[in-house]
Amino acid sequence: NAGVMQNPRHLVRRRGQEARLRCSPMKGHSHVYWYRQLPEEGLKFMVYLQKENIIDESGMPKERFSAEFPKEGPSILRIQQVVRGDSAAYFCASSPGTGGETQYFGPGTRLLVL
Amino acid sequence: KQEVTQIPAALSVPEGENLVLNCSFTDSAIYNLQWFRQDPGKGLTSLLLIQSSQREQTSGRLNASLDKSSGRSTLYIAASQPGDSATYLCAPKPGQNFVFGPGTRLSVLP
Repeated sequence: NAGVMQNPRHLVRRRGQEARLRCSPMKGHSHVYWYRQLPEEGLKFMVYLQKENIIDESGMPKERFSAEFPKEGPSILRIQQVVRGDSAAYFCASSPGTGGETQYFGPGTRLLVL
Repeated sequence: KQEVTQIPAALSVPEGENLVLNCSFTDSAIYNLQWFRQDPGKGLTSLLLIQSSQREQTSGRLNASLDKSSGRSTLYIAASQPGDSATYLCAPKPGQNFVFGPGTRLSVLP
């Protein structure tokens, strides 16, 4: 059973471009979470999704950021018109359910905005 | 809002020492608390998960305790090894997502 997969592992973008980060959850997991780790800061929750639904996006910046988890395919975190402050490691996690269950983390995508 | 602190922020010890990492959180209404390890430039490795009804969990040389009422958790590492060098993150789970502490950066010197 493969773990959570994220790609690309590293992404370089120039200011103003779009960044698309992909996350494939573990097999059988229908809950996906995105976290962001800014340089020298802790991980912060961004968004929680189930298939075709955004459940909690309280940690998402209000502009330029969006996330989806379609019925088929990976979850996508999309950042439009990237700025240097978006440079960070973005981690995806998945779980089979919620509440007392743990989450399994992917290796992360490291975004560098030039 | 859940706030998590970890003490110490950094720790350097000689190989073989037993050590304790501390975590405090402000909201005791949690489903569980998890300790993770993060190596530089890498993802997170789950170490121990303590459910809210439990007091401690053990795995090998690691032991984690949870005192939910006082908002504290400790991670005990016995007989530390250079391979234990990493950042250790404490993460209580008050809802659907984890709230991470800033971490303790551990260096174990050979």
